[in-house]
Amino acid sequence: AQSVTQLGSHVSVSEGALVLLRCNYSSSVPPYLFWYVQYPNQGLQLLLKYTTGATLVKGINGFEAEFKKSETSFHLTKPSAHMSDAAEYFCAVRKYSGGGADGLTFGKGTHLIIQP
Amino acid sequence: EPEVTQTPSHQVTQMGQEVILRCVPISNHLYFYWYRQILGQKVEFLVSFYNNEISEKSEIFDDQFSVERPDGSNFTLKIRSTKLEDSAMYFCASRDRGLSSSYEQYFGPGTRLTVT
Repeated sequence: AQSVTQLGSHVSVSEGALVLLRCNYSSSVPPYLFWYVQYPNQGLQLLLKYTTGATLVKGINGFEAEFKKSETSFHLTKPSAHMSDAAEYFCAVRKYSGGGADGLTFGKGTHLIIQP
Repeated sequence: EPEVTQTPSHQVTQMGQEVILRCVPISNHLYFYWYRQILGQKVEFLVSFYNNEISEKSEIFDDQFSVERPDGSNFTLKIRSTKLEDSAMYFCASRDRGLSSSYEQYFGPGTRLTVT
């Protein structure tokens, strides 16, 4: 079975500082990994994904993540935080049930706080 | 840009009542999903649906839950007899039948269900 662990339920950074949100996964097969963002009272928006190929993936809003198989990690980074980045961030891994209708298993989420 | 829509945005119901949550997936998508998020907790997979039948369901998706695609455009989640613990945000998602490398689920804005 696939699982995701997000270290740190809350992360606080200053505006302009580096953002680093940690995600570790467990998967018995090559994983498909995702980062979603959820703004208050809104749905889930895909930031970026890793399926195959290049291990450094770039997403929207200046975010990127690097798939590291040896560390079973998929940490999300952004060089310079902006106030508008304040939100809940979820890491997810594709469930593998053998069919094409696999759902996603989410981590518990990290609440990103941006200090002015 | 095509998007997943959900109605209603907020549903209040009394314990024991039946509710139907509605979703309109993106028109050319073939895989459909329901997830729920209890307030302050992570997003949890409920069920996936493909080719007019359930592909996979979680342990949460018991006999009180059912899904249906009644008319080729809507995708519904029915809870037969609601309990207080069913109070949550319910998200619908869909994806197309593209290459595995393009695997991506598109989420709707959610329906907040409050059971009193």
